[in-house]
Amino acid sequence: DARVTQTPRHKVTEMGQEVTMRCQPILGHNTVFWYRQTMMQGLELLAYFRNRAPLDDSGMPKDRFSAEMPDATLATLKIQPSEPRDSAVYFCASGPETGEETQYFGPGTRLLVL
Amino acid sequence: KQEVTQIPAALSVPEGENLVLNCSFTDSAIYNLQWFRQDPGKGLTSLLLIQSSQREQTSGRLNASLDKSSGRSTLYIAASQPGDSATYLCAVLSGGYQKVTFGIGTKLQVIP
Repeated sequence: DARVTQTPRHKVTEMGQEVTMRCQPILGHNTVFWYRQTMMQGLELLAYFRNRAPLDDSGMPKDRFSAEMPDATLATLKIQPSEPRDSAVYFCASGPETGEETQYFGPGTRLLVL
Repeated sequence: KQEVTQIPAALSVPEGENLVLNCSFTDSAIYNLQWFRQDPGKGLTSLLLIQSSQREQTSGRLNASLDKSSGRSTLYIAASQPGDSATYLCAVLSGGYQKVTFGIGTKLQVIP
């Protein structure tokens, strides 16, 4: 049963610390998405990769957020330095090459920045 | 900029009722529209995907329709069950980079 995995599932950190979230997309999927979900804003797209290349990261605060795909089996989202307003659930999703088919979501990383 | 609105924000119905969830979007130039389900503390599960050339999709007790020209979609749930209680999100794929835009969701509670 192929699934998107995310680590850690929960993270509590202090303001100013670096946070790294990891995602393993479903094998064979060439598109990877990072989303942030909050009560106020709902689900927002942060970054979008196709074949490991970033296509759209306009939703991501550039000064503190960075997203990479070191290889086809790993996507990372880093926040440095973290701020309390970054507290949210961060989801990774992957999909087939076209990007026009359904996305498969991971369970999310619940981040709390104190 | 694509904007997706879902009405109502929350809905509570007795078990067995048929119900309709609404989704509207501002830019009708979409590739597809999806309905997702999210259980508390969980990720999203895709329920139905409608391509831009299609009018509706059905899966079991769920039926989703798409009217691109008016920028609307509805999710129809027949004979609702307590297990249907969840948040339902609508998402549209549009734009040059095929960006996905989500609605805020409709929180559904089906009362036994």
